[in-house]
Amino acid sequence: GAVVSQHPSWVICKSGTSVKIECRSLDFQATTMFWYRQFPKQSLMLMATSNEGSKATYEQGVEKDKFLINHASLTLSTLTVTSAHPEDSSFYICSASPSFGFQRIRQETQYFGPGTRLLVL
Amino acid sequence: DAKTTQPTSMDCAEGRAANLPCNHSTISGNEYVYWYRQIHSQGPQYIIHGLKNNETNEMASLIITEDRKSSTLILPHATLRDTAVYYCIVRPNNNDMRFGAGTRLTVKP
Repeated sequence: GAVVSQHPSWVICKSGTSVKIECRSLDFQATTMFWYRQFPKQSLMLMATSNEGSKATYEQGVEKDKFLINHASLTLSTLTVTSAHPEDSSFYICSASPSFGFQRIRQETQYFGPGTRLLVL
Repeated sequence: DAKTTQPTSMDCAEGRAANLPCNHSTISGNEYVYWYRQIHSQGPQYIIHGLKNNETNEMASLIITEDRKSSTLILPHATLRDTAVYYCIVRPNNNDMRFGAGTRLTVKP
């Protein structure tokens, strides 16, 4: 249990294009999902908190118009990097917290996806 | 505002116990101690968490001091596949998870 998937696992795009990354909780429902970014040799940095049916909450310094987050269902959140530039190249990771407890899936724990590596040329 | 302090790196011999310390001297009464690990180029993997009692699961044991100002993650029989960056995080339940620099554990044959 507690599987979170991301699609795609890697993407290469041209500067100026937009890229959408999907995050799905496969065997549980998640009212809240989180998006992180990780640059090489650095730790994960929280970008935003995504709540199902409402607007995302962005961390200071993260542009909400550039990183569009949609959390339309209890199992899916999407992050769209708009007008991507080379400096947006990074490892993007999502996580999800179960809406309620399942056996062996702790409600208070976050489960992470495998990450999406974005390279903007 | 780093809430935890961990050694930058540690080595451990394969088959031996790996003891990873974490200092969280400013922990609040409602904050849990979580441990995650990240193997290269993968998403973080949940290991264990606790409030004040020691915890054990199939992956590891978590020892929390009585004053809750520090804890130790124990991998009882480290294998080469346990080589990873280990993150100690303190947070109230259902809040976002914020990562520090972690400890890079290298298990050597």
